[in-house]
Amino acid sequence: QSVLTQPPSVSGAPGQRVTISCTGSSSNIGAGYDVQWYQQLPGTAPKLLIDGSTNRPSGVPDRFSGSKSGTSASLAITGLQAEDEADYYCQSYDSSLSARVFGGGTKLTVL
Amino acid sequence: EVQLVESGGGLVQPGGSLRLSCAASGFTFSSYIMHWVRQAPGKGLEYVSAITSDGGSTYYANSVKGRFAISRDNSKNTLYLQMDSLRAEDMAVYYCARVGGRYGGYDYWGQGTLVTVSS
Repeated sequence: QSVLTQPPSVSGAPGQRVTISCTGSSSNIGAGYDVQWYQQLPGTAPKLLIDGSTNRPSGVPDRFSGSKSGTSASLAITGLQAEDEADYYCQSYDSSLSARVFGGGTKLTVL
Repeated sequence: EVQLVESGGGLVQPGGSLRLSCAASGFTFSSYIMHWVRQAPGKGLEYVSAITSDGGSTYYANSVKGRFAISRDNSKNTLYLQMDSLRAEDMAVYYCARVGGRYGGYDYWGQGTLVTVSS
């Protein structure tokens, strides 16, 4: 059971918009800690998509955006493309565990 | 070009030991906090351990505390993870990752090295 909760799967057609939620608690996201989002394509290492809850590192398309409110965060992907099919993970810091924590991951399927 | 290359993975019996290495290049290794993150087969990502840029402070997930030891040699641009008393649940791909994102994200990852724990 992950400290951060993500839906196991989401799907959307090419061109559509999808969102992936990441629900935490008062000891992590709710405590104000930043949320990072990573994309993991099959058979590869994760890639940083969103840093500091809402910031895109250089080179990440603006189709990807992050938001945070209360004890939750979300990743939105607009203009879905076939190459977006991947696993997505949220990550934050938990003060009770004194450690970084990840969500269980969400598999995005592009229909 | 930033590169992180892990090595040292392999097959080990339960209770055994293994030492992973992560060779860094393309950046000033001694300036960055480094982490180990693992991923069990078909499962999600799990933070394992962290070390400050000068190696002066180390941190561990509860699941590996007392069994794993992280270290670094800044003169060799190399990060290490000594894993002792290995268990079946430690079987995973182990990634080294650089904490280089402006807000603390892992901006570079290695390709990973597989650790298999089995008799």
